[in-house]
Amino acid sequence: AQTVTQSQPEMSVQEAETVTLSCTYDTSESDYYLFWYKQPPSRQMILVIRQEAYKQQNATENRFSVNFQKAAKSFSLKISDSQLGDAAMYFCAYRSWFSNFGNEKLTFGTGTRLTIIP
Amino acid sequence: DAGVTQSPTHLIKTRGQHVTLRCSPISGHKSVSWYQQVLGQGPQFIFQYYEKEERGRGNFPDRFSARQFPNYSSELNVNALLLGDSALYLCASSSGPNTGELFFGEGSRLTVL
Repeated sequence: AQTVTQSQPEMSVQEAETVTLSCTYDTSESDYYLFWYKQPPSRQMILVIRQEAYKQQNATENRFSVNFQKAAKSFSLKISDSQLGDAAMYFCAYRSWFSNFGNEKLTFGTGTRLTIIP
Repeated sequence: DAGVTQSPTHLIKTRGQHVTLRCSPISGHKSVSWYQQVLGQGPQFIFQYYEKEERGRGNFPDRFSARQFPNYSSELNVNALLLGDSALYLCASSSGPNTGELFFGEGSRLTVL
């Protein structure tokens, strides 16, 4: 079974600064997806960024980028130019690449609460 | 376009009661998944349905059941409620297996007293 570990329960960053959230995972599979989801107080999970394991290039979405280290099974999220609206819980998640039965199960970490200091 | 909608948003039940939670996926999405998020933890996978068939089941007791209707909406049922069932129940939809992205609703907050 796959596991996802987020070792930082809470992080804080000054507005406009850069912060990195850590995530490690354990799997025996070679192909898979990794995701970062954001959950603001509104409770809705919002996809921030995703990475396919076969891609060596790190994914980037505007101010959000990842550092994907497949051999180390590490998947960190970097947020540049932090904004007040970035304050939320951030969850790292794993999904198997393919299932003949179409199983889309996500395995989540325990989350990191990010606070933005004005 | 409407996103994933869930009802009710909040509800309070007592131990031993039964609850039904409802989810409407994004229009055109045929896959629906359910997750339980206990306070302070990450979501845990409960069920996935695609084309009205169960495609995945997490490690939850038989008190938890679900179904998907011809219009692809879904219900999650929990019988004989326990205090530990208090959680946020999230529904997610996708256009189909292996699409790589799930879209989540805002959840149903269940409190069991």
